[in-house]
Amino acid sequence: NAGVTQTPKFQVLKTGQSMTLQCAQDMNHEYMSWYRQDPGMGLRLIHYSVGAGITDQGEVPNGYNVSRSTTEDFPLRLLSAAPSQTSVYFCASSYSYSNQPQHFGDGTRLSIL
Amino acid sequence: DAKTTQPNSMESNEEEPVHLPCNHSTISGTDYIHWYRQLPSQGPEYVIHGLTSNVNNRMASLAIAEDRKSSTLILHRATLRDAAVYYCILRDVGGFNKFYFGSGTKLNVKP
Repeated sequence: NAGVTQTPKFQVLKTGQSMTLQCAQDMNHEYMSWYRQDPGMGLRLIHYSVGAGITDQGEVPNGYNVSRSTTEDFPLRLLSAAPSQTSVYFCASSYSYSNQPQHFGDGTRLSIL
Repeated sequence: DAKTTQPNSMESNEEEPVHLPCNHSTISGTDYIHWYRQLPSQGPEYVIHGLTSNVNNRMASLAIAEDRKSSTLILHRATLRDAAVYYCILRDVGGFNKFYFGSGTKLNVKP
């Protein structure tokens, strides 16, 4: 049972480069979300999805794009990386009910030079 | 969106109970109260959740005030492995539900 799988675990980019952080879950969860966590801070919601084809913005969506073509996958795209996007990124999934816990991946540590 | 307020840090002795408070004065009637914890260099981990009644599981207990404007996570016997940041979160059911983390409480456990 893999749960929530994030790839890569570590990445270094140069300013202006683009990349996609991958997130996959095998629990048939409708709800998936992306968070970023800056050093010493709590998690901030970037984007979320309640099902295939449906996405919406969280607290800090600027500079990030998402799409949800399948239930299993929810990639996060940085179109033009900036040093301010240096952070640890967490993906999470759950059933779409308020009494359901979220399952988190192990995170992607992203540094932008 | 309803938000939560927690103390920045707390300290406990090993094998003693710990009570972690959370205020959520703008909670709506259908918001569930969730608690997560994050160990160093790991993703958040679910601890417990509840709506109105107190809840117990193998990890902790959750005590919810009668007016639901506050709650307390109770670790019955703290161990060194319980040292983590604990987050109190409200899960909103209105429309597309969002899940906002606050800054959490950093729990230090002394041997």
